[in-house]
This record gives sequence, C-alpha cells and structure tokens, in this order.
Amino acid sequence: GENVEQHPSTLSVQEGDSAVIKCTYSDSASNYFPWYKQELGKRPQLIIDIRSNVGEKKDQRIAVTLNKTAKHFSLHITETQPEDSAVYFCARSGGSNYKLTFGKGTLLTVNP
Amino acid sequence: DTEVTQTPKHLVMGMTNKKSLKCEQHMGHRAMYWYKQKAKKPPELMFVYSYEKLSINESVPSRFSPECPNSSLLNLHLHALQPEDSALYLCASSPTGQDYGYTFGSGTRLTVV
Repeated sequence: GENVEQHPSTLSVQEGDSAVIKCTYSDSASNYFPWYKQELGKRPQLIIDIRSNVGEKKDQRIAVTLNKTAKHFSLHITETQPEDSAVYFCARSGGSNYKLTFGKGTLLTVNP
Repeated sequence: DTEVTQTPKHLVMGMTNKKSLKCEQHMGHRAMYWYKQKAKKPPELMFVYSYEKLSINESVPSRFSPECPNSSLLNLHLHALQPEDSALYLCASSPTGQDYGYTFGSGTRLTVV
C-alpha cells in the first residue's frame, strides 16, 4: 500500500561524520519523495526532495538517492554538524491523490 | 509570502468547549491539509482539501470538523474533544499535483483537559 518503512529509528554520529537514513516503499505509483527535518517543538521543514525520473539529487551537504527498481530512497548528510540534530522524516506521494505518507522518523544526534 | 500561518499557537480547552483552529496561506496553493502529530510520531493525515472541496477524510471522528471558506483559509472546528486528542495540529499547503512538497505551518499545540 502507501506505507513507508524508515531505518534506523535513532542514529548517533560524531561531528564531521556522515549520516545515512534509508526508506523503502511498496506502492509502484509513488513518484515523489521528500525529506523533512523537524527540530524539537518546531514544524517539519522540507530539506530536499526527489522525483521518480531522477536517481540522485544534491544540495550542499545533503543528498538523496532513489532506486525505483528496489523501491528505496536514502538521505545522505556529509560533514555533520551539531545543528543537524533533529528528527528526519521521509515521505512519498503518488497515485490518485495528493496525500503524503510519512515514515516513522529518525532521531539524528550529532555529538560535538 | 512563503508561509503558512496558524493560530492560535497554544490552546487549552475543556472537554465541553468549542474552539477553532485557523490556518492561512497566500502562496496560491490549492491543496490544504490538516495533520495531527503526537510526540515522537510522524504527522498523521486528517483531512485534505483540494480546490476548497474536501477530498480526503481519514476516518476522523466527527468531533473534528474542517472547513475551507476560501482558497487561502482552512479551519478546524473542535467540539467535545477527549484528552487523547491532545497533540500538535499542523496545517500544510501545496500546489495541486502529486510531486510537490508541503509547506507546514508552525502548528497549534492543543491540550484537552
């Protein structure tokens, strides 16, 4: 269906290291895959997105990759900084409505 | 204007009260959404409006009543809520179409006592 599996649920890295968060989906109609960052007590904010006709997209230290055959997509953060600490949600949409389905989230902690 | 504005930011209400949450955007987005978010959980879809018409109701209890008076405004009317309805209520908007991300408002933190 429209579910999205997200792993890991928590991730702790040292400042300067890379962080990778992975999501899988099952609905073949999925064609849009955004990533949201949510800091404690704040709104989710769109940080990067990818559409199904693209395999990879990069924006400074953040990149997203999409493997349509395997139905998974990943968020890559390089040179992590303490301010990257937050909950990250993957999501997908596609099919007959505008509904975004979210993964369960990953709590990323970047230790100085 | 690239924001979604929600009011109030915080709301405490009793189980017999009637209150309304308000959401406004001026980005020309024709799809608007209400989400409910519990602590440490992802946003959970409640309602979708497309061109001011309700297109999705995710089996939300009738004590939550959405309204879309025009293309810029979205309301959520609350009546006879339960303590378990306490949560962060997020409004979002997007251009119509399936491959656009939402812009979220900063939410209303609702506490039902």
